[in-house]
Amino acid sequence: ETGVTQTPRHLVMGMTNKKSLKCEQHLGHNAMYWYKQSAKKPLELMFVYNFKEQTENNSVPSRFSPECPNSSHLFLHLHTLQPEDSALYLCASSQASGGATETQYFGPGTRLLVL
Amino acid sequence: GDSVTQMEGPVTLSEEAFLTINCTYTATGYPSLFWYVQYPGEGLQLLLKATKADDKGSNKGFEATYRKETTSFHLEKGSVQVSDSAVYFCALSVTGRRALTFGSGTRLQVQP
Repeated sequence: ETGVTQTPRHLVMGMTNKKSLKCEQHLGHNAMYWYKQSAKKPLELMFVYNFKEQTENNSVPSRFSPECPNSSHLFLHLHTLQPEDSALYLCASSQASGGATETQYFGPGTRLLVL
Repeated sequence: GDSVTQMEGPVTLSEEAFLTINCTYTATGYPSLFWYVQYPGEGLQLLLKATKADDKGSNKGFEATYRKETTSFHLEKGSVQVSDSAVYFCALSVTGRRALTFGSGTRLQVQP
């Protein structure tokens, strides 16, 4: 595997279900991100992890719970979601340098449908 | 705050036509600028980037020049192909904030 991978690619869940999205990066990066892409809205940053520590939470509801056990893996745990949470969830990684020149590399995304 | 404004789409062109997708930005610091492309059913791929004024990013026939005086980073391609049909996102990052700020995306449709 190369680059950034995400599983599953598609997920359908009920509002009472609990599921997890997985992201893995094979680029040796130390920063990882979750973004949400909804129809007709710009991409929204959800969480940022730098060296496994969460450094940014963009006012995300607690029904989304991120976990970063190491620099290569990132999870997004989902519980009691709402239909409006249906979206494409994108994971990204970068080599953290603190500067504006960092480039983020994205995975293919998980298409989530909440019924 | 930081923001990116892109022209609304869809942009529909015939094959071999010239493409311009406009992008302007506002930023509190000195940003780096990016263009990402999203093909149907896929995630975002970095297309090109520029990190300082007057830099030109280029890739796969696409070009964009960082214009600080007009706060713009317009994407151009001299001759589009059907395979270029996708959604194009302009984005910026600033020192001290790791998150990218994205524009709303511009859908390009190229007809044979």
